[in-house]
Amino acid sequence: KAGVTQTPRYLIKTRGQQVTLSCSPISGHRSVSWYQQTPGQGLQFLFEYFSETQRNKGNFPGRFSGRQFSNSRSEMNVSTLELGDSALYLCASSPAPGYSYEQYFGPGTRLTVT
Amino acid sequence: DQQVKQNSPSLSVQEGRISILNCDYTNSMFDYFLWYKKYPAEGPTFLISISSIKDKNEDGRFTVFLNKSAKHLSLHIVPSQPGDSAVYFCAARISYNNNDMRFGAGTRLTVKP
Repeated sequence: KAGVTQTPRYLIKTRGQQVTLSCSPISGHRSVSWYQQTPGQGLQFLFEYFSETQRNKGNFPGRFSGRQFSNSRSEMNVSTLELGDSALYLCASSPAPGYSYEQYFGPGTRLTVT
Repeated sequence: DQQVKQNSPSLSVQEGRISILNCDYTNSMFDYFLWYKKYPAEGPTFLISISSIKDKNEDGRFTVFLNKSAKHLSLHIVPSQPGDSAVYFCAARISYNNNDMRFGAGTRLTVKP
């Protein structure tokens, strides 16, 4: 079974630009969560999608948004990029909400904002 | 707010000895706790978990202990192997019906041959 895939793996953007990251979950998984990882902060929850609906949202500004498609693939968008948005963005999929022990992470997208 | 804390950023142990990684939390409503292991350039991988109604869970060389009164959990690895060298994250789940989790900052474990 193929794992969670994230594209692109690396990205360099300039302050003020916007960026879209993509996540393809494991086949059959319908829940997708997004996390931001920065040094010293661990992983911080961004949001979770299930059946094309955002179920939960972490404490991030409105510049961070996401969506999920009918095939469970998900995208997250960050508008008006700031230097502090430089981080590793991780996507995780699971069969459904609540299946935390069956949550599988992708390799992440490393975003650098200059 | 940092609801899950891993106060040791790094830990170094000798091969064959025990590794003990610690995690503290503040929210008594957490119902499920997990440990993840992360290698460079890879996403975290699930290692072991424990429900809040238990105080111990064991899986091979890995054992997680939960002390609810102290709001503390620990991961024991016995015996430690060089391949265990990685960053370990402690995570706690907010609610049974979603995957919103709070993670610690991670502890980098180095197992020396």
